[in-house]
Amino acid sequence: SQTIHQWPATLVQPVGSPLSLECTVEGTSNPNLYWYRQAAGRGLQLLFYSVGIGQISSEVPQNLSASRPQDRQFILSSKKLLLSDSGFYLCACSIRGATGTEAFFGQGTRLTVV
Amino acid sequence: AQSVAQPEDQVNVAEGNPLTVKCTYSVSGNPYLFWYVQYPNRGLQFLLKYITGDNLVKGSYGFEAEFNKSQTSFHLKKPSALVSDSALYFCAVRSYTGGGNKLTFGTGTQLKVEL
Repeated sequence: SQTIHQWPATLVQPVGSPLSLECTVEGTSNPNLYWYRQAAGRGLQLLFYSVGIGQISSEVPQNLSASRPQDRQFILSSKKLLLSDSGFYLCACSIRGATGTEAFFGQGTRLTVV
Repeated sequence: AQSVAQPEDQVNVAEGNPLTVKCTYSVSGNPYLFWYVQYPNRGLQFLLKYITGDNLVKGSYGFEAEFNKSQTSFHLKKPSALVSDSALYFCAVRSYTGGGNKLTFGTGTQLKVEL
């Protein structure tokens, strides 16, 4: 089964500083990968998803970017953080080509921008 | 476009009583529907899914969900609630979009089970 590693678990960063959150997947190859953000402990907003190396789709315009340098590695970045970037960031994966596949989630990164 | 609605922000239930967490969906074509649970400061855990077949789907921890096509609903149920079931529950729908298989989530329902 798939295992998703996210780090760090918590992060406090000043406004204007850069960001790099990393997610790696074990137990499957060529997965679909996703970054979600959860604000105020409630709804999940899809930020980016990727169907392969170097292939990134952005769901909403924002201060963030994503990259997939390797098949099972997904990175969320920002050049300059804003206060509004605070939230709980979740990486997820699903199996490509499997009908009805569910997504598996990492444990999340709590980002606080101060 | 696909969407999911969870009309209740919070559901309170006494331990031992049955619980229902509501979800309605909107999607073109056949829906793939999912329920997830989230404990504080943790990732989402998969509970169950409906793809096709029986309208009553059984999942983890004694949860089940009933798919109702005419009402476009997929309510989560459990015959007897436990205090440990207290958590945030998300309904999700999936469509196939250019190979992305995006999952769209509802806003979540906080379940509180009291003694």
